[in-house]
Amino acid sequence: SQTIHQWPATLVQPVGSPLSLECTVEGTSNPNLYWYRQAAGRGLQLLFYSVGIGQISSEVPQNLSASRPQDRQFILSSKKLLLSDSGFYLCAWSVTGATEAFFGQGTRLTVV
Amino acid sequence: GIQVEQSPPDLILQEGANSTLRCNFSDSVNNLQWFHQNPWGQLINLFYIPSGTKQNGRLSATTVATERYSLLYISSSQTTDSGVYFCAVEWGAQKLVFGQGTRLTINP
Repeated sequence: SQTIHQWPATLVQPVGSPLSLECTVEGTSNPNLYWYRQAAGRGLQLLFYSVGIGQISSEVPQNLSASRPQDRQFILSSKKLLLSDSGFYLCAWSVTGATEAFFGQGTRLTVV
Repeated sequence: GIQVEQSPPDLILQEGANSTLRCNFSDSVNNLQWFHQNPWGQLINLFYIPSGTKQNGRLSATTVATERYSLLYISSSQTTDSGVYFCAVEWGAQKLVFGQGTRLTINP
C-alpha cells in the first residue's frame, strides 16, 4: 500500500534562517506531488505541484521554492524565512490521471 | 479561477444530532473530495465523489455536478466527528482547490 512521509512534524526557526521540508512517498511510481500551506486553521493554498522529476509548477509568488530530485521525493525550501512563512505545510500525492489526493501529516512551522 | 464555497462556516451540535454540510463551486469540475481534518491537523479522506451518492457508515455524500454542489451528511453525530471538514475540487491540471472549511463542534 502507498504511504506518505513528511518531516519534521514541528519546526521553530528564526527569521532569516533557511528551510528544508521533505516529503517522500512509498508504494507508487511517478506520482503527482503537491505542497499546500494552511494558515489560521482554514483553507489550504496550493503552493507547488510536480508531475515528474525536475518538473515544478508554482502557484503563487512567494519566498519559497520546491524541488523534486527523485521520483518520490518532494522538497520545500527557503533561503531566508520571513515571519509570514509561518503556517501548517502539507504534502500530498495523487496518481497520474486520477486526482484522489492523499496527504501527509503536515509540518507546523513557526518563524520567530 | 474557480471559487469553492462551503457553508456553514461553523456548526455546533449536540451528540446524536444530524448535520448537512454544503460545498458550492463556480465552474465545472472533474472530481470532488471531502476531507476531515482532525485536531492534530491530519487530513483524512472521506469521499472521492465526482458525481452521485456514496455512503460510509454514518457519513454519506452527494454531488450534483450539473448544479455545481456537493453535500456531506453526518448522522447520529459523535464527539469524535468534531473538526474541520473540507471539500476540494479538481480544477486545471490535476490541481485540488479547497474551500475554506466547515468547523464542526459536537458537544457531549
